[in-house]
Amino acid sequence: DAGVTQSPTHLIKTRGQQVTLRCSPISGHKSVSWYQQVLGQGPQFIFQYYEKEERGRGNFPDRFSARQFPNYSSELNVNALLLGDSALYLCASSPWESSPEQYFGPGTRLTVT
Amino acid sequence: GQSLEQPSEVTAVEGAIVQINCTYQTSGFYGLSWYQQHDGGAPTFLSYNALDGLEETGRFSSFLSRSDSYGYLLLQELQMKDSASYFCAVSGGYNKLIFGAGTRLAVHP
Repeated sequence: DAGVTQSPTHLIKTRGQQVTLRCSPISGHKSVSWYQQVLGQGPQFIFQYYEKEERGRGNFPDRFSARQFPNYSSELNVNALLLGDSALYLCASSPWESSPEQYFGPGTRLTVT
Repeated sequence: GQSLEQPSEVTAVEGAIVQINCTYQTSGFYGLSWYQQHDGGAPTFLSYNALDGLEETGRFSSFLSRSDSYGYLLLQELQMKDSASYFCAVSGGYNKLIFGAGTRLAVHP
C-alpha cells in the first residue's frame, strides 16, 4: 500500500510569493495534519483536518491556511512568504480523528530566498 | 504553555542499552508518543503511552509516569541503524502532537 505522498519534494520561492503544498493520505485515512519542521528542531503543529473540517490550528499566522478535499487529500497554502518560512513541511495522516499514531509523508522542503 | 525537554545528544556503542528521557509541561495531556527520524527522512511512530507503566515493542520500550510528567524511551541491543533523532511528543487532543526538540542518537561500533 502506498504511504503518505507529498508534492513537490523541493520548492524555492522568493519573499512575498505564495506557495501551495499538496498531500495525499494513506488510503482509508480521513485525518490529515500539517507540521513545520525547522532544521534541528521538532515538528511544529500547524493544522489538522478531519472529514474536511478543521479540527485544530497551531500557533501560526493567518498567512497559513489549509483545506481538505472530498477524497481526503489536503493542501497547505502560505501567503506572503518570509525567509523564516523556510522549513520542511510534513503531512501526516491517520485513520481516526484522534490517534496517537500518525503516518508522516516525506515532506516538502521549502526554501524562501 | 506547553513544553517538552529531552537531551539534545546521546552517544552509545553497538549492543548497548540507551535511555532517552523526556519531561513535559502541558495542559490537556492525553498521552506520550515517541517518533524516530533518520536524516532526510520522515518521522516514524515507535510507541505510545496513555497510562503509567512500561510498553514493550521488540527492542524498544517506553515508560510513562503521569504524576511526574516524565517518560523515557529505552533502546536495547543497539544497532548502527538506530542512529537517528528521537522525538517525544505529547498528544494535545485530536491529532495535535506537540514535539520536543529531539535527541540525536549516535551509535558507534
